Amino acid sequence: SQKIEQNSEALNIQEGKTATLTCNYTNYSPAYLQWYRQDPGRGPVFLLLIRENEKEKRKERLKVTFDTTLKQSLFHITASQPADSATYLCALDPNQGGKLIFGQGTELSVKP
Amino acid sequence: DTGVSQDPRHKITKRGQNVTFRCDPISEHNRLYWYRQTLGQGPEFLTYFQNEAQLEKSRLLSDRFSAERPKGSFSTLEIQRTEQGDSAMYLCASSLAASRETQYFGPGTRLLVL
Repeated sequence: SQKIEQNSEALNIQEGKTATLTCNYTNYSPAYLQWYRQDPGRGPVFLLLIRENEKEKRKERLKVTFDTTLKQSLFHITASQPADSATYLCALDPNQGGKLIFGQGTELSVKP
Repeated sequence: DTGVSQDPRHKITKRGQNVTFRCDPISEHNRLYWYRQTLGQGPEFLTYFQNEAQLEKSRLLSDRFSAERPKGSFSTLEIQRTEQGDSAMYLCASSLAASRETQYFGPGTRLLVL
């Protein structure tokens, strides 16, 4: 069956450290994968998109990798801050038609 | 604010009642999507429109759910004869068809069915 899975347990880290979140998928061959941030009671906010021919993409303190052989994407936040505390969702669009399939999200908590 | 807006933000209803939610997308966006999200889960796709045409519906969208986008601008999602299992956050998103990879989400409507 087709699945997209993220770390189900919340991730607690100290301010200044690097947070690494994992997204694994099975039985999909996506052309691209996206990461969103969601704060409690709010809608998801788009962060980064990485295509199948890109190994890595960066935006300020964010870095995403995409390994189509392992069927895995890693999302890194360097020099993390308490303001980075949120739930992070990965999503893919299997048919490139705009219908997004989301993982269940990983809750990140950054302690001062 | 030129983002996606949704109304109401919260709705409490009794089982069996009908509810209707509204979504106003970003004005130039011709694609509009509805998702449902329950606690601890990611959003699940329900349906999407390109202009006024409804192009795809999920199997999650039972006969009690209907969505419209009559003039290709705002959209409504109606749930008839609500059930407790319909309690969730209903999210709307919009995008340009030409750059549909990036969807912009509204704040959601949180529904509680008692």
